[in-house]
Amino acid sequence: AQSVAQPEDQVNVAEGNPLTVKCTYSVSGNPYLFWYVQYPNRGLQFLLKYITGDNLVKGSYGFEAEFNKSQTSFHLKKPSALVSDSALYFCAVRDIINTGNQFYFGTGTSLTVIP
Amino acid sequence: ETGVTQTPRHLVMGMTNKKSLKCEQHLGHNAMYWYKQSAKKPLELMFVYNFKEQTENNSVPSRFSPECPNSSHLFLHLHTLQPEDSALYLCASSQDPAGTAKNIQYFGAGTRLSVL
Repeated sequence: AQSVAQPEDQVNVAEGNPLTVKCTYSVSGNPYLFWYVQYPNRGLQFLLKYITGDNLVKGSYGFEAEFNKSQTSFHLKKPSALVSDSALYFCAVRDIINTGNQFYFGTGTSLTVIP
Repeated sequence: ETGVTQTPRHLVMGMTNKKSLKCEQHLGHNAMYWYKQSAKKPLELMFVYNFKEQTENNSVPSRFSPECPNSSHLFLHLHTLQPEDSALYLCASSQDPAGTAKNIQYFGAGTRLSVL
C-alpha cells in the first residue's frame, strides 16, 4: 500500500539556522514526490517535486529536497530559515504504476521559526 | 492566488441542513479533486473527476455528493452531516495528460465547515 510518513508533528528552529522537515514514503513502484506548504487560512501551495534525474531538487523560496531511494526518504531542507517560513508542510507521493489521479499525503509538520 | 476559487470560505450548518460547496478553476485543467483536512490526520482524498467523469470515490459516505458539470466547476453537496464531518474541505485541480501522474495540484483556500 502507498503511504507517506512525516514523523515530526512540530519542528522548531531559530531564524538563520538550517531546517529539515522529514518525510519517508512507501510505494509499490517508482515514486513521484512532492512538498506542499500551507499558510494559515490558505490552501496548499506547491513547493517542489521529484520525478526523475538529479536526487537534489530545488524549489520555491530557497527550499530543496533530497530524494534517497535506499532510505525511501524525501526530506525538505533550507540552509537558513526565515520567520516567514513558519507554516504547515505536507509531503505527498504519487505512484507512477497507478495511472489514476491518486495523491497520498502525510499528516503534516508544523514548522515554527523563532526570531 | 492559485487560480482555484472556493466558496463559501466558512460554513456553519445544522445536521438537518442541506448545503453545497463550490469550486471553480481558471487554469484549464482537466482533473479536479475534493479533499478533507482534519487536524493531525493526512489529507483525505474524497473524490476525483477527470474530464467531468468521476474516477475515484474513496469510500465517502453518501451524505457527501459530488457534482462536476464541466471541467472548470466542482460541487460538493452536503446533507444530514454529522459533527465529525467538521473540517476544512479543499478543492484542487491538475493538468494530467492521459497515462501520466507527473503534474502538480493547485489548491483552493478551502471551506471551513462546522456541523452543529
